[in-house]
Amino acid sequence: NAGVTQTPKFRILKIGQSMTLQCTQDMNHNYMYWYRQDPGMGLKLIYYSVGAGITDKGEVPNGYNVSRSTTEDFPLRLELAAPSQTSVYFCASSRGGGVTLSNQPQHFGDGTRLSIL
Amino acid sequence: DAKTTQPNSMESNEEEPVHLPCNHSTISGTDYIHWYRQLPSQGPEYVIHGLTSNVNNRMASLAIAEDRKSSTLILHRATLRDAAVYYCILLGSGNTGKLIFGQGTTLQVKP
Repeated sequence: NAGVTQTPKFRILKIGQSMTLQCTQDMNHNYMYWYRQDPGMGLKLIYYSVGAGITDKGEVPNGYNVSRSTTEDFPLRLELAAPSQTSVYFCASSRGGGVTLSNQPQHFGDGTRLSIL
Repeated sequence: DAKTTQPNSMESNEEEPVHLPCNHSTISGTDYIHWYRQLPSQGPEYVIHGLTSNVNNRMASLAIAEDRKSSTLILHRATLRDAAVYYCILLGSGNTGKLIFGQGTTLQVKP
C-alpha cells in the first residue's frame, strides 16, 4: 500500500526556473493538501483541494499554483523560483467526502527537499 | 482553531512510559484533539486522535481531561525510534482539515 507518494525527493533549482512537484495518493481520498516546512519551523498550508476540479488557497499561496484534474493527483507548480521558496514540501491527503473531516487523520508523503540558488 | 500549548522538550529512558502533555484551555465542544509526530527528515505521521473519551491504538494512548482543557499522549514503552517532534493539534467541525502545526514537543529517548 503506497499511500501518498511525492516526487522528486530532492531538487536544486536556479532562480527564475519553474518546476512541478508531483503528489499522488492511492487511498481514494477526497481531500489533498500541500504544506511547506522551513528549517526549525512547523508546517504551513500552501493550497488544498476538496475534490477533483476544486482547489483553494491556504496560508502561504503566493508563488505557487495547483490543479486537481483527478482524485489521485495534486501537483504543485512553482512558476518563477525564488530563494524564499527553499523549503521541504509535504503533500497530504484525508478521506473527506461526507464524513466529519475533523475526525479524519491526514496521511503524509515523505516530502520534496527543494533548494533554490 | 483553538491554540495548544506544549513543553518545548522532554526526555525519556528507553522502555519506560512517556507522558506528553498538551494544554488547550480554549477548546470548543466540537474540536477533535489530534496528535502527529515527525521523525527526523521524514513527513509528519498520524499518531492518534479523540474527542471526549480516552483512545487507544497500536501506537499510543490518548487521555483527555474531563473538562477537555488538556490531554496527554502516552507512549507505553518508549523506543529509540520514538524520538521525534510531537504535535498536538485541534481540528474544529468547520475546518477544511488544514493542520496548524505549532512548535511541538521534541522527545529525546535515551538508551
